Amino acid sequence: DIQMTQSPSSLSASVGDRVTITCRASQGIRNDLGWYQQKPGKAPKRLIFAASSLQSGVPSRFSGSGSGTDFTLTISSLQPEDFATYYCLQHSSYPLTFGGGTKVEIK
Amino acid sequence: QVQLVESGGDLVKPGGSLRLSCAASGFTFSDYYMSWIRQAPGKGLEWVSFISSSGSTVYYADSVKGRFTMSRDNSKNSLYLQMNSLRAEDTAVYYCGRSSSWTYFFDYWGQGTLVTVSS
Repeated sequence: DIQMTQSPSSLSASVGDRVTITCRASQGIRNDLGWYQQKPGKAPKRLIFAASSLQSGVPSRFSGSGSGTDFTLTISSLQPEDFATYYCLQHSSYPLTFGGGTKVEIK
Repeated sequence: QVQLVESGGDLVKPGGSLRLSCAASGFTFSDYYMSWIRQAPGKGLEWVSFISSSGSTVYYADSVKGRFTMSRDNSKNSLYLQMNSLRAEDTAVYYCGRSSSWTYFFDYWGQGTLVTVSS
């Protein structure tokens, strides 16, 4: 099974900050990775697919990069509505595996 | 618009059974793969199972293999998860999610249905 190690598990940031979240795969997964945002009590929402493609309707302050084993989600200027938990997902092979999540909190 | 609506969640005793459903609308259901994903209270996301567009291929997480059965009825635009021999650790919100080779994984999710396994 491919393990997805996501870091940090939580962070505190202020509105306007640049935020970076990383996921590392235990083996190469090409660009078979997505990033999801989840707010309390809600279903996850996809932000990025194919490691770096922005989901339609998602603000351009979100971006993804990486290939192989190391991936990054960047929020260029954190907005109040971005406080949430973020997950990566690898879909290179079964079982599909999510990262452990990163909770972004208000500083 | 694309909609996925789960139902069937309930309180069930350990060892019991439950059948979840996911009703799809707003897209050609038979063109898409589907999955179940769950989230235990206060925990992260866990992929549970996948089914191909025709239903001929199904994959399961080891944690549910042999106990859960995923199926679909393309004539009814519906997805199912038959859950047997339920355990306390199966307690979670269960989501259905849509995928395809051109939309990749989980571009749309349902709102979730809560399964609680407790005596």
